[in-house]
Amino acid sequence: GENVEQHPSTLSVQEGDSAVIKCTYSDSASNYFPWYKQELGKGPQLIIDIRSNVGEKKDQRIAVTLNKTAKHFSLHITETQPEDSAVYFCAAPNNAGNMLTFGGGTRLMVKP
Amino acid sequence: DAGITQSPRHKVTETGTPVTLRCHQTENHRYMYWYRQDPGHGLRLIHYSYGVKDTDKGEVSDGYSVSRSKTEDFLLTLESATSSQTSVYFCAISVEASGGLARNEQFFGPGTRLTVL
Repeated sequence: GENVEQHPSTLSVQEGDSAVIKCTYSDSASNYFPWYKQELGKGPQLIIDIRSNVGEKKDQRIAVTLNKTAKHFSLHITETQPEDSAVYFCAAPNNAGNMLTFGGGTRLMVKP
Repeated sequence: DAGITQSPRHKVTETGTPVTLRCHQTENHRYMYWYRQDPGHGLRLIHYSYGVKDTDKGEVSDGYSVSRSKTEDFLLTLESATSSQTSVYFCAISVEASGGLARNEQFFGPGTRLTVL
């Protein structure tokens, strides 16, 4: 099955700096890579995703890059703000596309 | 929030007692999932359903059973709760794509915090 590893497990940045979270996956057939943000006491919320036919996708201050050869994908947050503080999860699907395997999560802390 | 509610939101129970958690959705989605979330492990799939009475095991299914007698409800049962099942449980849905397969995007409910003493 799919194996997803996420790094770092915690990340502390100063407000206004950039943050980068990286995930690696094992199944070369995976073709969809979502990122979720989880705020305290809430369920994970899908914030951005990328499919394997593109190498980068942006949505305002967040972007995701994908390197299929190296089997890794990354979340980039620019101009971080205190409200970006949360736990972020990456994920990758199984072959059938009906299940997601999640990384272990990254706790991002943005210091004002 | 994709119209997903979970009940109860918090529960404290004792070892050996049965516990049932409910996930309810209002948008008629075919695919539903139960995950548990523990520190350092992210989200791990317990069971999932691809239709009424159609369910399958996930990564950590031991000690759990599920039932789906109608589209809108997906129940997770701990037949005899153990302290290792203390966790936060999340339900999720996936929208159905053309052809009947699940789309990759999953949307989560608010979670149930379960403590087994």
